[in-house]
Amino acid sequence: EAGVAQSPRYKIIEKRQSVAFWCNPISGHATLYWYQQILGQGPKLLIQFQNNGVVDDSQLPKDRFSAERLKGVDSTLKIQPAKLEDSAVYLCASSTSAMDTQYFGPGTRLTVL
Amino acid sequence: GDSVTQMEGPVTLSEEAFLTINCTYTATGYPSLFWYVQYPGEGLQLLLKATKADDKGSNKGFEATYRKETTSFHLEKGSVQVSDSAVYFCALSDQNTNAGKSTFGDGTTLTVKP
Repeated sequence: EAGVAQSPRYKIIEKRQSVAFWCNPISGHATLYWYQQILGQGPKLLIQFQNNGVVDDSQLPKDRFSAERLKGVDSTLKIQPAKLEDSAVYLCASSTSAMDTQYFGPGTRLTVL
Repeated sequence: GDSVTQMEGPVTLSEEAFLTINCTYTATGYPSLFWYVQYPGEGLQLLLKATKADDKGSNKGFEATYRKETTSFHLEKGSVQVSDSAVYFCALSDQNTNAGKSTFGDGTTLTVKP
């Protein structure tokens, strides 16, 4: 079974630029998560989808971050414009349902200069 | 809101020592509880889980018991190995009031020396 795929793996941008991350979850998984993990901290949930609907986005900085999950499968997370404090690893995870085990992708390491 | 508090690290032990990593939680509903592990250079993966009070999750010699009365889910292993060196994260999913919203602790780094 293929795991959660993410791209790109690494990205370096200047502040005020835009960036987008892509996630392809495990086939059949209804729940998809985007996390931000700053060095030395635990993953912070940015947004959680159930199929193509949003379950929670209370910690998503909506003035600069946006996410969508088209047709309840792939998802993209966008930052526009980026700030220095956005430097982090962005993790995507999926699960069969919201209470089940999450399977994580390898993450995208973002550096904002 | 929901929260997960883990004991601060890092934790350094000698091989075959006993391990405890404390985890307590705050949740308005009845969460499922998880321990995830991140080995050096690898992604996060599930170590064990428990879905209701008094359940014990176990895997690879690790155990944790869901204690509702103390809102805890402490991770234990009787004899650690060098290969257990990793970062351990306690997490919860709160279904009843938060539609399964996921919350993670900040992680505890374990180093096991031979």
